[in-house]
Amino acid sequence: EAAVTQSPRSKVAVTGGKVTLSCHQTNNHDYMYWYRQDTGHGLRLIHYSYVADSTEKGDIPDGYKASRPSQENFSLILELASLSQTAVYFCASSGGGASQNTLYFGAGTRLSVL
Amino acid sequence: SQLAEENLWALSVHEGESVTVNCSYKTSITALQWYRQKSGEGPAQLILIRSNEREKRNGRLRATLDTSSQSSSLSITATRCEDTAVYFCATSGGNYKPTFGKGTSLVVHP
Repeated sequence: EAAVTQSPRSKVAVTGGKVTLSCHQTNNHDYMYWYRQDTGHGLRLIHYSYVADSTEKGDIPDGYKASRPSQENFSLILELASLSQTAVYFCASSGGGASQNTLYFGAGTRLSVL
Repeated sequence: SQLAEENLWALSVHEGESVTVNCSYKTSITALQWYRQKSGEGPAQLILIRSNEREKRNGRLRATLDTSSQSSSLSITATRCEDTAVYFCATSGGNYKPTFGKGTSLVVHP
């Protein structure tokens, strides 16, 4: 069974502070993604990566950075957290080729910025 | 704007009834996927249907794809309480960026 683990599961941050969300996958997948979920907006892609040491911007990258130091790990970094970044964040991974269309998601991180 | 979108925000049925969730999309796709997200969990894929397929089944689930009208449907027969979840369609266009709709919340009542 594919496994994507996110940490922490929940976090409270202060406005202007730095937040790092971590994701670890044991699927041997090349592709990893960070999505944000808000009520009424569904899942929106923030950043993604298809190889270690390289990241790409998704549809809503402003205010976020990403880091892929290895195939297994993908982090999302909020350098200056803002109230508008309160949301649930999901990490996902997928294989290459035809299997790239099947995403395996983690359980999510609930972030509250106060 | 969303490139993929379900057509209803919420649905409610009773156990044993059938239900259909519809999705429309705006771009050329290589595949369309349906995901289910239960409360407190991440989404999990139910069905993947490729652009050259018209129908795909998985147990009580049936997905259709109409590339001419850029639409898809997911039907669930003999619904159960455990089918209560949010259902998303997602499209892939070969650009590594799967795009999700806003989701349809389904409640199945006993």
